[in-house]
Amino acid sequence: DGGITQSPKYLFRKEGQNVTLSCEQNLNHDAMYWYRQDPGQGLRLIYYSQIVNDFQKGDIAEGYSVSREKKESFPLTVTSAQKNPTAFYLCASSSRDRVDGYTFGSGTRLTVV
Amino acid sequence: EDQVTQSPEALRLQEGESSSLNCSYTVSGLRGLFWYRQDPGKGPEFLFTLYSAGEEKEKERLKATLTKKESFLHITAPKPEDSATYLCASTSGGYNKLIFGAGTRLAVHP
Repeated sequence: DGGITQSPKYLFRKEGQNVTLSCEQNLNHDAMYWYRQDPGQGLRLIYYSQIVNDFQKGDIAEGYSVSREKKESFPLTVTSAQKNPTAFYLCASSSRDRVDGYTFGSGTRLTVV
Repeated sequence: EDQVTQSPEALRLQEGESSSLNCSYTVSGLRGLFWYRQDPGKGPEFLFTLYSAGEEKEKERLKATLTKKESFLHITAPKPEDSATYLCASTSGGYNKLIFGAGTRLAVHP
């Protein structure tokens, strides 16, 4: 079955530590996205990529970094510069025509300990 | 500034009690209005895309409609399994990104 796989499902980060969230898709989608979800707020865009080796900042990119070396993969690194990283992180992908919106992964819940 | 606002924040219904969820949008050059369903601890699941005012789409007990300023998600005779958070999103600046409302948490009780 085609879809998006995010791992791990739960992640714990210590103060000052960088962590990387994985996102892999086998839908042959060109575009991929990272969103952050906090209670009572809408999803906020962190980074997006429309083609391999190219990505753009979203609305809340500070403290995050990404890479897009392969079409199937779009990992997100939460750096120590992100002061409030505890949240639910969602990866999504879409096709060029986007008639069906985005397909989302199952999410990674990151907690600072 | 492009914005999507959903109301109410939370809605409690009895099984079989029909109602509507609202999504108001202020975006320049709307290219698509999307509805998603999200269960706790999971990613959003796509429901509908609407492209132009007057368009309607249906799926089981759900019907989505679109006007020039807002969209409605009508739920007819809901069942407990319809309990979830419903998210509305619109295109912003083209298809490069979607902007989301905060969602409506729907609880349907037997």
